[in-house]
Amino acid sequence: KNQVEQSPQSLIILEGKNCTLQCNYTVSPFSNLRWYKQDTGRGPVSLTIMTFSENTKSNGRYTATLDADTKQSSLHITASQLSDSASYICVVSAGPGGGNKLTFGTGTQLKVEL
Amino acid sequence: NAGVTQTPKFQVLKTGQSMTLQCAQDMNHEYMSWYRQDPGMGLRLIHYSVGAGITDQGEVPNGYNVSRSTTEDFPLRLLSAAPSQTSVYFCASSFTTQETQYFGPGTRLLVL
Repeated sequence: KNQVEQSPQSLIILEGKNCTLQCNYTVSPFSNLRWYKQDTGRGPVSLTIMTFSENTKSNGRYTATLDADTKQSSLHITASQLSDSASYICVVSAGPGGGNKLTFGTGTQLKVEL
Repeated sequence: NAGVTQTPKFQVLKTGQSMTLQCAQDMNHEYMSWYRQDPGMGLRLIHYSVGAGITDQGEVPNGYNVSRSTTEDFPLRLLSAAPSQTSVYFCASSFTTQETQYFGPGTRLLVL
């Protein structure tokens, strides 16, 4: 069964600090991995999308890494801001052999405090 | 571009009532989908469409119907609402199933 597990479940950090969120997956066949940011009461917004051949991708202060061998990804947030407070969702897409299905993680809830 | 729009933002229903959640996109995306999001669970796929006239079931389709008569619109119908359908519903669209999805703002549904 395809699964995406994220850790930690929740995290509190001080403004200006860095943090790293983890995503482990067992999805086959792998097509791509996406990170989304979801503010409270809003729909998810895409941060990055990475295919098998990409091991790092940045979007401003967000940097995602992918290790397809160990089936792990991380999202690193640099110099956090209050506006980074949100849920971060890891999503893995199976390829055509897997029906192009998306498997969603349950998210990491990040709170940035003063 | 308005992106993906959803109406209503919030709805209260009584058990047994029916209603339609509206979703529209103006990005000419072929792929559209409906998800529900419940506390402690990841987004779950209800129904999806790969183009006008084509729909298919997702992971949790029971109690819901969809149709796709145009590229732009993808309404979700609740046939006979049940308290278990209390949730937040998101519509999403993308050019293909392998590309980034754009989500709407969500509809919060409470079934009493």
